[in-house]
Amino acid sequence: DTEVTQTPKHLVMGMTNKKSLKCEQHMGHRAMYWYKQKAKKPPELMFVYSYEKLSINESVPSRFSPECPNSSLLNLHLHALQPEDSALYLCASSQDLAGGRNEQFFGPGTRLTVL
Amino acid sequence: GIQVEQSPPDLILQEGANSTLRCNFSDSVNNLQWFHQNPWGQLINLFYIPSGTKQNGRLSATTVATERYSLLYISSSQTTDSGVYFCAVERGTGGFKTIFGAGTRLFVKA
Repeated sequence: DTEVTQTPKHLVMGMTNKKSLKCEQHMGHRAMYWYKQKAKKPPELMFVYSYEKLSINESVPSRFSPECPNSSLLNLHLHALQPEDSALYLCASSQDLAGGRNEQFFGPGTRLTVL
Repeated sequence: GIQVEQSPPDLILQEGANSTLRCNFSDSVNNLQWFHQNPWGQLINLFYIPSGTKQNGRLSATTVATERYSLLYISSSQTTDSGVYFCAVERGTGGFKTIFGAGTRLFVKA
C-alpha cells in the first residue's frame, strides 16, 4: 500500500469554528509532513514530524496545531482561522528524514475554505 | 535560504512534441524530487533523483548535483501530461526543510 489518505476532501468553516484535518499512511513511514498550497503557488512546508516528534515548525501561527498520535496518523487542528487561510492542505510521508529514505509521498489534500 | 528556480514558467506543446524542464538550485541538497500536480491537486511522484539519471517510460530526469541543476525530459507528450510540474529540494545543511520551485505549467494540445 503506497497511499496517503486525507479527510475530509473539502471543508468549509467559519472563523469561530474548530475543525481538524486528518492524514493516514500505512507504509510504515516514520516522517510525516503538512504543507499549505495557495492557488497557483507551490506547496509551502508547515510542519514536519519524525518518529512522532515535531521536528520542524515553519513559524506557523498558533491557530494551526499539529498532532501526531501515532506513527500512522497526523492531524491538523484548526481554530479561529482567517479567510486568508483558505488553501489546499497537503499531507505527505517518507520513510524517515535521512538522505536516501526521504522520498515524500503526498495525499490528495483537503480544500479548506474559511468564511 | 536555498533558492529553487524552474523554467520555463509556462509551456504549450502540441501532442507528440518533446520538452525539457529545468530546475536550478542555489545550494547543496540532500534530496530532489520531481512531481506532477494534476488538475485535482494530487501531487504525483515522478522521480526521486538527488543525483544521476533515471528513466520511467516517456519521462526521464537528470540531476547534476555539482552544478546544481536538474532536468526533466518529456518525450512524445500526451494531453494527460498537462498540469504543473514541480521540482522540490531538501537542503543539505541546517535541517530537513523541503523547498518547492514555482513550477512549470504545461498544456498539451490535441
